[in-house]
Parts: sequence; structure tokens; C-alpha cells
Amino acid sequence: DADVTQTPRNRITKTGKRIMLECSQTKGHDRMYWYRQDPGLGLRLIYYSFDVKDINKGEISDGYSVSRQAQAKFSLSLESAIPNQTALYFCATSDPGLETQYFGPGTRLLVL
Amino acid sequence: GENVEQHPSTLSVQEGDSAVIKCTYSDSASNYFPWYKQELGKGPQLIIDIRSNVGEKKDQRIAVTLNKTAKHFSLHITETQPEDSAVYFCAARKGMDSSYKLIFGSGTRLLVRP
Repeated sequence: DADVTQTPRNRITKTGKRIMLECSQTKGHDRMYWYRQDPGLGLRLIYYSFDVKDINKGEISDGYSVSRQAQAKFSLSLESAIPNQTALYFCATSDPGLETQYFGPGTRLLVL
Repeated sequence: GENVEQHPSTLSVQEGDSAVIKCTYSDSASNYFPWYKQELGKGPQLIIDIRSNVGEKKDQRIAVTLNKTAKHFSLHITETQPEDSAVYFCAARKGMDSSYKLIFGSGTRLLVRP
């Protein structure tokens, strides 16, 4: 089984709808991240969490919120989706003291 | 804040040739520089990294060089194979536990022609 899983893998929604993207990990890592990938822009950090009680904004947090329900779960919400939030979203994890980030397979989101 | 620029955005090479991807960073305090490979339909995966106290690191056909004075680092792939075709991202990070955030470049799509 994959160490970092994301659900759903693909999602189509309409402008104004609230949606949630979920991430689960079995790596036992404390740190979790949400990134957004757009063509030509690379990966940009939306939010990150160093433990269950720690939530931090990244470069592009406007329009997004997160919830760290447990060490293994980190959810990203779009309260009112807009078309320019159409992108590929990745969750990642890492262990304190070790620098490698492990990415999930991504969620492709289309906002109509 | 940190800014990472990556070039070229696309690169096409013949199988067996070498490929070089270059990145520059803006913050001289950055001290860790990983490279990630993203295959179609998958998330990025770390392939090699280098720290600021090292000038070069090799792992089989892959090498990374770092020039701290010029604030640039490069990925070198020798004897390219079709399975090297992917999108490659460089990244930079400064700080340790208190500021663990990677800033990514915009990516390079590498195509290795058989």
C-alpha cells in the first residue's frame, strides 16, 4: 500500500461549492504539507503542519483552510471554490531531522 | 523571501547524451538543495540532494553541483535513458526545524528520445 494517499484522485466541482481534499499517511511522520502545482509555476506551499497542534500558512493560503485531525491525517478545504483554484494538489510528509519530503499521488481538481 | 529560478523549462536529448538542468536561488542563507523527479501521474520523488557544505555529489548517473558564491546549483544526468523522461524540480531551503519550508523551481520537462 502507498505510504501517502490522497482522496479523491480527481474532482470536478462548480464555482462556489465547498470541497475537501484528504490526505492520509502511514509513514508515522509528524510533518505534513499541502502544495499546489500549476503548469510553469512549480509547486507552491499552501499550508503546513509540524504536529497535530501546529498549523502554518504557506505562500498561497488565501481561499484555503486545513485541518489536522490526527498525526496521520491532514485535510485541505476550499470553502468556496473558484476557477483559478483549478490545479493539481499534492500532500507531502516529512520527519523532523530528516529532510526528504514524501509526496502523495496528487488530486486533480477542476473548478467550473 | 527565497526565490528559485529553474532553466530550461523543457529539454529534449537523444538517448545516451547528457542532460543539465540549472537553478539559481536568491537567499544566501539557503543551505539545502534537493532535486525531485515527477513521473506522469505520480507525485514528485527525491532523487538527490546537496547541502551547502558540499560542492558536488554523485549517485550513479546523477550528479548535483553547487556554487554558493554564484548561488546556483545544477543537476547532471549522464547516459540518459528513456525512463529518465519526467519533470524535474529543484528546490532550496534555509533553516532547520524552525523553518522547514522548501521553495521549488518551476520545473523542467525532460524528454529522452530513443
